[in-house]
Amino acid sequence: AQTIHQWPVAEIKAVGSPLSLGCTIKGKSSPNLYWYWQATGGTLQQLFYSITVGQVESVVQLNLSASRPKDDQFILSTEKLLLSHSGFYLCAWSPGTGGNAEQFFGPGTRLTVL
Amino acid sequence: GDSVTQTEGQVALSEEDFLTIHCNYSASGYPTLFWYVQYPGEGPQLLFRASRDKEKGSSRGFEATYDKGTTSFHLRKASVQESDSAVYYCALGANYGNEKITFGAGTKLTIKP
Repeated sequence: AQTIHQWPVAEIKAVGSPLSLGCTIKGKSSPNLYWYWQATGGTLQQLFYSITVGQVESVVQLNLSASRPKDDQFILSTEKLLLSHSGFYLCAWSPGTGGNAEQFFGPGTRLTVL
Repeated sequence: GDSVTQTEGQVALSEEDFLTIHCNYSASGYPTLFWYVQYPGEGPQLLFRASRDKEKGSSRGFEATYDKGTTSFHLRKASVQESDSAVYYCALGANYGNEKITFGAGTKLTIKP
């Protein structure tokens, strides 16, 4: 069975500080990987996706970046946090390509920027 | 660009009531349509999806029919239970070779016992 793990579970950071969030998928080789952001009480906004190691596509610009250093790992980061970065960050994986495959979401990371 | 509109931001019902959550979309071609459910503090999970006109998706008593004519994918359930309380998202995935998924604003469903 496939499992998806996100770390940390929650973060409280200061404006202007750096951030790194991680996501690991076990039990599935070469998954498609995604990052989503969800403001409190808001919808899910797709941020990045990756089909293969080393390749990441940006969907929206929020002063964030993403990298896929290994087949099973997806990293979201920024050098300088803004207040607007607060929210719930979700990593997801999909077994197929194209927009018609089910996405499996991780438990999320709650980020508070003060 | 692609878009998904959910009419109801919040719905409050009693147990055994009939549920309808409206979802309309705008996209070219034949996108895949999804309904996801999210419980507090968790990531969303798929209820079901549909990829063709008139295709019906269903799970756990929920159902929706893909209607290309009215560009709709309304979620329905004949008799809701308290455990159905959650946020429901309609989503759209393009079928033309990219990975972009567009979610609607979400509908918070509260069921009173």
